[in-house]
This record gives sequence, structure tokens and C-alpha cells, in this order.
Amino acid sequence: AQTVTQSQPEMSVQEAETVTLSCTYDTSENNYYLFWYKQPPSRQMILVIRQEAYKQQNATENRFSVNFQKAAKSFSLKISDSQLGDTAMYFCAFRGNAGNMLTFGGGTRLMVKP
Amino acid sequence: EAQVTQNPRYLITVTGKKLTVTCSQNMNHEYMSWYRQDPGLGLRQIYYSMNVEVTDKGDVPEGYKVSRKEKRNFPLILESPSPNQTSLYFCASSIGGAGAMNTEAFFGQGTRLTVV
Repeated sequence: AQTVTQSQPEMSVQEAETVTLSCTYDTSENNYYLFWYKQPPSRQMILVIRQEAYKQQNATENRFSVNFQKAAKSFSLKISDSQLGDTAMYFCAFRGNAGNMLTFGGGTRLMVKP
Repeated sequence: EAQVTQNPRYLITVTGKKLTVTCSQNMNHEYMSWYRQDPGLGLRQIYYSMNVEVTDKGDVPEGYKVSRKEKRNFPLILESPSPNQTSLYFCASSIGGAGAMNTEAFFGQGTRLTVV
């Protein structure tokens, strides 16, 4: 079974600065996808970014980028130029060969301060 | 608009009183699932369905039932709720199938359930 660990329960960052959220996972599979979801106070789950394990190039979506280290089983999320609207809970998630089930980490609560 | 609709958004009930949380999606997705979210534990899968009339247990199925009579609907049933089922519940849907690893899962707005 896969496990996903987010070691930072809470983090804070000043507006316009950069912050990195950590995520590690454990799996015996070779091909899989990793995701970061954002959950603002509205409780909506919003897909931020996804990464395929076979792609060496790190995924980027505007101010969001990942540092994917397959050998280390690490998948961190970097948020550049943090904005107040980035304040949310962030979940790292794994999806393997079964194709459908998402395994989530415990989440990191991010506060962006003005 | 593509969406997953859950109802109700908030529910307070008493121990032992049967309840149903509804979930409906309009994207013709094959795969639907239910998660519960608890502090520090993230989201954990309760049940999932690969297609109509096909359901299976996730990681935390005890105390829950589901049904999938139609492709668009996937209700979560608590036959005899207990206080340890107080949680935030999410329904999700995605395309499903062997080639679905990279596809986005769409989530409902969540149901905050309190069992007293």
C-alpha cells in the first residue's frame, strides 16, 4: 500500500515571498502520478499541479512548481510570489497503477501574511 | 458546468439515526468515490465505484454503505451513525479506467457531519 507524508502541519509566509511545502511518499510502483490539491476555507478541492513519475522535467503552473525527486520519493511544492489568496490547506496525493484511487497526505495549512 | 454536487453541506444528527448524503456528477464519469477528511489524517477513501452496480471498500469502510444504481449518482449511507463518524465528507468523480492515472478528480463541496 502507498503512503503519503506531509511533515509540516502548518506554515506561514509573507506576501510576495516564496514558500516550499514538503511531501514524501512510499511506493513500490514504477509509474504513477503525484498531485497537489489546494483547499481554501470554502472547502473546495482545487487541483494545483500534477506530475508523472516518468517525466524528469518538473511540472510548472504559473507561480506553482514542483521539485520531484523520484529516487528520494519526494515531491515538494514551491509557491512563488505568494498571494493572500494562496492561504489554504494543501494536500499532496498519489495515484498509482490502479488508476483511480488517490492516497492523500495529512495536509499542510499555509497562511500568507500581508 | 462540470460539477459534483453533494447535499447537504451541513448536517447535525443524533446517534443511531439513519442518514444519506447524496452525490451527483454531470460529467458521465465512470469512477466515483467517497472520502472522509479528519485533522492530520488528510482524506481517506471510504468506498468507491468503478461503474454502475460495481462498488468496493476503500480504506475506512466500517459503518458506511453505498450504492450505484445510476452512473451519475453515488449516495453515502450511514445506517446507524456514531460520534466517531463526525467528519468532513467529500464525494469525487473521475474518468476511470486503465488510462486514467493522470486525469483530474473532481470533488464536491463537502458535507460537514456532526453526530451527537
